[in-house]
This record gives sequence, structure tokens and C-alpha cells, in this order.
Amino acid sequence: NAGVTQTPKFQVLKTGQSMTLQCAQDMNHNSMYWYRQDPGMGLRLIYYSASEGTTDKGEVPNGYNVSRLNKREFSLRLESAAPSQTSVYFCASSVSPADTEAFFGQGTRLTVV
Amino acid sequence: KNQVEQSPQSLIILEGKNCTLQCNYTVSPFSNLRWYKQDTGRGPVSLTIMTFSENTKSNGRYTATLDADTKQSSLHITASQLSDSASYICVVSAINSNYQLIWGAGTKLIIKP
Repeated sequence: NAGVTQTPKFQVLKTGQSMTLQCAQDMNHNSMYWYRQDPGMGLRLIYYSASEGTTDKGEVPNGYNVSRLNKREFSLRLESAAPSQTSVYFCASSVSPADTEAFFGQGTRLTVV
Repeated sequence: KNQVEQSPQSLIILEGKNCTLQCNYTVSPFSNLRWYKQDTGRGPVSLTIMTFSENTKSNGRYTATLDADTKQSSLHITASQLSDSASYICVVSAINSNYQLIWGAGTKLIIKP
């Protein structure tokens, strides 16, 4: 029962460093998402992939890039990390973009110093 | 602007007591509303979905209500248990081409023995 698996769970970066957050799902879902969660705020969509081969910007895409590697995997890249990107990042998947039930990974807690 | 507001921000109750969490939204046109439960350090998990035509729906000790006219929803928890300690997030789906989900900031519920 793996569901959605994210790696790593914790990461500390220095300002300007780059890193890639990995996400994989084993539910044969078509759609995948990357969110960030900050204290006192709702989840905010960074990027999403409605189906394999497509990616689109969400609410807060600046400073991030994504790759839908195949149907299972959707990665998020920070090219030059900034302290404002300190957050908890969640990957999620759903059967389709119209399906509002998303299944989430356990999250990656990222600190940029 | 599409918004989802939840109240209270946090709530502490004794084990065995009931509580009600509120969600007000200004999302239009409305598609559906979901309540998620998010345990500390984990991703959100869907509890229930409310569509436009539904007024009440129960899932065990959780009962959600929806008043589409006043754009309000509530989540009532009966006979609370320690395992109910979590954040409860209201998410509203807007009907548009971007399959937009608008997330509330959540209510942090603490159950004390």
C-alpha cells in the first residue's frame, strides 16, 4: 500500500543551492500535483500535470520547475533555493484533473538558510 | 476572489466531547466541497465530499453539512477521541478550465484526555 511516495522527507539547503524533490505514485493515476504548505495558510498549488506528457503552472510557480518523467513519477526542481522557499512540500495524485479527491505523500520539510 | 475561510483557527476539547468546525467560501461557480484530515507530519486524507445537492453526509463519527445558499459548511465530530487530534481542512472545487481547488488554512483540533 505505498500510494504516493516522496523523497527526501527532510532537507536543508543553503541559499542558491539546487535540488530535486522526487515523487512516485503506484495507483495508476493520471494527474499529479505539487503543493507547498506554509503556517497559517492553505495548501498552494505550485505545478500540476493533468496527464502524462503535460505540465501546467499553478498558483505559485516562480522559482520551480517540474518534470513528468512518466505516468508514475513527477519531480519538482528548485534551481536556486531562496529562504522564501522554506516550506513543507506535498506531492499528490488523482485519477483525473476533474477528480477532486487527491492522495498525498508524507511531505518534504525543506529549510533554506 | 475565490476564498475559503475556516474557523476557529484552533480548538481544544476534552476527549468524549463533541465539536463543530466551520467553513465559509466565496468560490463560484461551485462544484463540490471536501473535508480533509491532516495528522501532524503527514499529508491530508479525504474524509468526505459534499456536492451542490447534498445537505448532510456522515462518515462514522464525522458529519458534514452544506448550505449552498449561504456558502457555508460544517464538520461535526461526535464523541471525540484522542486520534481525532489533527488539522481539518476544507477544500472547495471551482468549475473552470484549470480544475482549481481552493484550500482553507485549516482548523487545528487538539483532543485532551
